[in-house]
Amino acid sequence: EIVLTQSPGTLSLSPGERATLSCRASQSVSSSYLAWYQQKPGQAPRLLIYGASSRATGIPDRFSGSGSGTDFTLTISRLEPEDFAVYYCQQYGNSPLYTFGQGTKLEIK
Amino acid sequence: EVQLVESGGGLVQPGGSLRLSCTASGFTFSTYWMHWVRQAPGKGLVWVSRIHSDGSNTIYADSVKGRFTISRDNAKNTLYLQMNSLRAEDTAVYYCAREGRYCSSSSCYTEFFDLWGRGTLVTVSS
Repeated sequence: EIVLTQSPGTLSLSPGERATLSCRASQSVSSSYLAWYQQKPGQAPRLLIYGASSRATGIPDRFSGSGSGTDFTLTISRLEPEDFAVYYCQQYGNSPLYTFGQGTKLEIK
Repeated sequence: EVQLVESGGGLVQPGGSLRLSCTASGFTFSTYWMHWVRQAPGKGLVWVSRIHSDGSNTIYADSVKGRFTISRDNAKNTLYLQMNSLRAEDTAVYYCAREGRYCSSSSCYTEFFDLWGRGTLVTVSS
């Protein structure tokens, strides 16, 4: 079973700063099958990145994804007020087929 | 508008049953694989089940196997989740989600969720 561990659990930053979120897998993950989501309170998740580095439709270019193997990163180059939310990574692989990380909460400092 | 709308959640006693529905609009529902994903209160996201576009193949998380059944009616643009033998630990917001697919000139990407409904809350309690 592949476990995704996200760090940090909570990240406190100010608008305008750069955010770097980590997702580490317990086994190697195909980059084609690594995605990132944003979730705001009371809302459904929203797809940000698929294939480790491809931005979904309508996602601003301040969001970028990178990584391979067991280490993946979501970077927000310059935080806007609407970016403060919880972020999840997700992979597709062996049983269970789809797993999510536990999430990183990005909060306003 | 492209959207998914879930319904059917509510309060049910342990051991009871519930059927969730998810109605799709704004896209060709019959061509997409569909999923259910749940989120317990204050917790993270957990994948529950997947169904192929024509309903021919289904798969479940171990935690719900044998108790939950995913199905679809493409004529009605609707996805279902029949939940039996419900337990307290099944309490969650249940989201239906569309599996995305994108192909460039060199690669195809799938196995991610590109459209989500707003969710429906299932509470299992006596």
